[in-house]
Amino acid sequence: DAGVTQSPTHLIKTRGQQVTLRCSPISGHKSVSWYQQVLGQGPQFIFQYYEKEERGRGNFPDRFSARQFPNYSSELNVNALLLGDSALYLCASSKEYEQYFGPGTRLTVT
Amino acid sequence: AQSVTQPDIHITVSEGASLELRCNYSYGATPYLFWYVQSPGQGLQLLLKYFSGDTLVQGIKGFEAEFKRSQSSFNLRKPSVHWSDAAEYFCAVGVNTDKLIFGTGTRLQVFP
Repeated sequence: DAGVTQSPTHLIKTRGQQVTLRCSPISGHKSVSWYQQVLGQGPQFIFQYYEKEERGRGNFPDRFSARQFPNYSSELNVNALLLGDSALYLCASSKEYEQYFGPGTRLTVT
Repeated sequence: AQSVTQPDIHITVSEGASLELRCNYSYGATPYLFWYVQSPGQGLQLLLKYFSGDTLVQGIKGFEAEFKRSQSSFNLRKPSVHWSDAAEYFCAVGVNTDKLIFGTGTRLQVFP
């Protein structure tokens, strides 16, 4: 079975721009979570979606938003990018409390 | 508030030596505990998990971890380290089913 896939792999944006990151979960997984990993830190929880409903939100500003589609894929949107948004964005799909992570999208904001 | 502490930022061992990575957590209820490994520029791979039952859990790649409720710890061990084990290791506690709280990680370096 294919694992969690994310696109794009790398992205460079300018301050103030908007970005959309995409995630496809493992087949059969209905829950998708997003994490931000700043260099040298552990991942920080951003959102969790289950069956297209937001189930949880971490301590991130409203510039961050997400949605889940009927096929359980998900998008993470970040508006008005700041330099501090530069990070590895990880998507995870889960079943029965086990989360499986994708390779991540490396976002660089200049 | 829930939290995870990994006291060792960086550990260096010789190939073939034993390994123990420390993890302490703070969580009011019975925790779901995880260890993940991350190679440079990669996502996270699940090594093992503890939900309930036997406090010594076995994982992939020869790793094991022991849950000690009295010490709020979930230390990761391996009897003999291989050079390919060099990576970043993260301990995490599961909150409200699918929210993971991670520690800051321990970077493992292996010398031949």
